[in-house]
Order: sequence, then structure tokens, then C-alpha cells
Amino acid sequence: NAGVTQTPKFQVLKTGQSMTLQCAQDMNHNSMYWYRQDPGMGLRLIYYSASEGTTDKGEVPNGYNVSRLNKREFSLRLESAAPSQTSVYFCASRRGSQETQYFGPGTRLLVL
Amino acid sequence: AQKVTQAQTEISVVEKEDVTLDCVYETRDTTYYLFWYKQPPSGELVFLIRRNSFDEQNEISGRYSWNFQKSTSSFNFTITASQVVDSAVYFCALSEWNSGYSTLTFGKGTMLLVSP
Repeated sequence: NAGVTQTPKFQVLKTGQSMTLQCAQDMNHNSMYWYRQDPGMGLRLIYYSASEGTTDKGEVPNGYNVSRLNKREFSLRLESAAPSQTSVYFCASRRGSQETQYFGPGTRLLVL
Repeated sequence: AQKVTQAQTEISVVEKEDVTLDCVYETRDTTYYLFWYKQPPSGELVFLIRRNSFDEQNEISGRYSWNFQKSTSSFNFTITASQVVDSAVYFCALSEWNSGYSTLTFGKGTMLLVSP
């Protein structure tokens, strides 16, 4: 039981390049989330998926798109990366509303 | 809008000291949940505790204890006899209802440094 996994662990991009961050959970959770963590800012919600087939914007969605591929997988896409998107990205999942969220190990992204 | 405030940006203590991390929240919801997470230097986020708004009993787990006071909208976290391994960033979070579904709002975190 791996919990929440994320790939890659670290990535360097040039401004304007695109990439997709992958997230998968094996806990049969219904809801999945993408956060970014910046120094002194805590974690801010980018997008979430309350259940398979639905996605919604969080606090900071600009510049990102998401896909809930199936119940297990939730990907985050940067179409044209910008230096302001340099951050650590965390994926999380939980079984239902108000339940505990469990986090993946994070992806460190550097945009030059 | 809901908000979580962790006023202490950084705390330094010497091993074996007790330390309390403060968390104050704002919400209009009558039913809500509060959480604490730990982020050690390795970077992962580790769940510590979840507490619902109807349960104001203090909780103790080993050296960790939590004091939830609805009257002051606070959910403080105390580490007794701190150890070097407690060095980490600690986040307080509040569940938030948004368009019929709940999400988490995090505080900005408190960095705890425990020196030997």
C-alpha cells in the first residue's frame, strides 16, 4: 500500500515549456487535490476533484489545468511554465468530505 | 472567507523544553474540522490530528497534546520535553465549505527548531 505517489520528484523547466505532474493513490479515495507550497505562504489549493469526473478551481488555478483520469489518478498540467510557478507541488487524497487528507511526497519544480 | 493564523513564524528551543504552537482560526461554519500536520526537513507532510468542532476535549498522544477552545477560536499544539526529531514546520488547517464541498485552508506554518 503505497498511499499517494507523485512523479517526478524534481524537474527543471525553461520558461514556456510544458509538463504534466502525475499523482496516483491506492487507498480508494474519492477526492484528490493539488497544492503548491511557497516559502512563507503555507499550502495553497490549485485544483481539486471531489469525485471521479469532476474538477474545480481552488485558490490559485491560473496557469494550470487538471485531469481526473480515473479514481486513482489526478494529473496537473502546466501548459507554458513561468518562473512564478517555481514551487513544491503536493498531491493529496481523502476518502470523503471532512475526512483527513493524506499527502504525496511532493514534486520540486524549478522554472528558469 | 475562512482563515487560519499561526502567528509564530519560528520558534527555537533547547531539547527537553516544552513548547506550544498557536493556531487561531476564523469561520462562519458551525460544523468544521481542524487539523495539524508536521513537515520535517525531508519535506513530506505527516498528519498528526483531526478534531471536529463539537469535541472540545483536550487530546494527548505521548508527548503531544492539543488544546481546542471554541470560545477563543484556538487549537493550540504543545510538545512536552521536546526532542531534536521534533524539528519541523508545523501546519494548522481548517476545513472549509466551498460550493457544497469542503477543502482545507492552511496556516502559513510555524518552524520549530529544537537544538541539543
